[in-house]
Amino acid sequence: EVQLVESGGGLVQPGSSLKVSCVASGFTFSSYVMHWFRQAPENGIEWLAYINTDSSSTHYAETVKGRFTISRDNAKNTVDMQLSSLRSEDTAMYFCARERTWERHFDYWGQGVMVTVSS
Amino acid sequence: DIVMTQSPSSLAVSAGETVTINCKSSQSLLCSGNQKNCLAWYQQKPGQSPKLLIYLASTRESGVPDRFIGSGSGTDFTLTISSVQAEDLADYYCQQHYSYPLTFGSGTNLEIK
Repeated sequence: EVQLVESGGGLVQPGSSLKVSCVASGFTFSSYVMHWFRQAPENGIEWLAYINTDSSSTHYAETVKGRFTISRDNAKNTVDMQLSSLRSEDTAMYFCARERTWERHFDYWGQGVMVTVSS
Repeated sequence: DIVMTQSPSSLAVSAGETVTINCKSSQSLLCSGNQKNCLAWYQQKPGQSPKLLIYLASTRESGVPDRFIGSGSGTDFTLTISSVQAEDLADYYCQQHYSYPLTFGSGTNLEIK
């Protein structure tokens, strides 16, 4: 069974950093492009970043470029997102998702992890 | 960026009725190479993560009931839910998978009367 499980959320102060992680199981992790999304309370879904299978390529939304960094460890089946210079508007549920091979839509999502940025 | 405009933002129907949700993109989503449209639909139930329903505008994901039907091409797309059931209470989102940045519609909240 495919599973994606996020962790690492919490309450942080503006300007601080936080790493959210996603551990995958039930499939050959190294064969799939992975993505991060977020959803602010009562809001829609925002795509944040992707990383390709061997980490040679990443791409970010303009809203987080330069502040967030996606990475993966295929030996550990994990994909992480380092969040830096956090702002109140970064408060959201963060989801990782698996891209159906080279098709840019998403067949499996994690349950999400909440990040709250507040003083 | 491709802007996805979804309507209505909410609707309430009785079980057994048919629902239509619309999604309009700011540019054509016709994928090169396969003559299909790069548009997906997701269902998000309260407290859950999104679930893929439809991709390439009209291809139903494995295990999705056949009452969920995706249609449309170019810039105008529709998700039709026939004979709505109580379990269909959820938010529905369209997503263009044509180009980066990937973008979503603002969502449609479906309430069952």
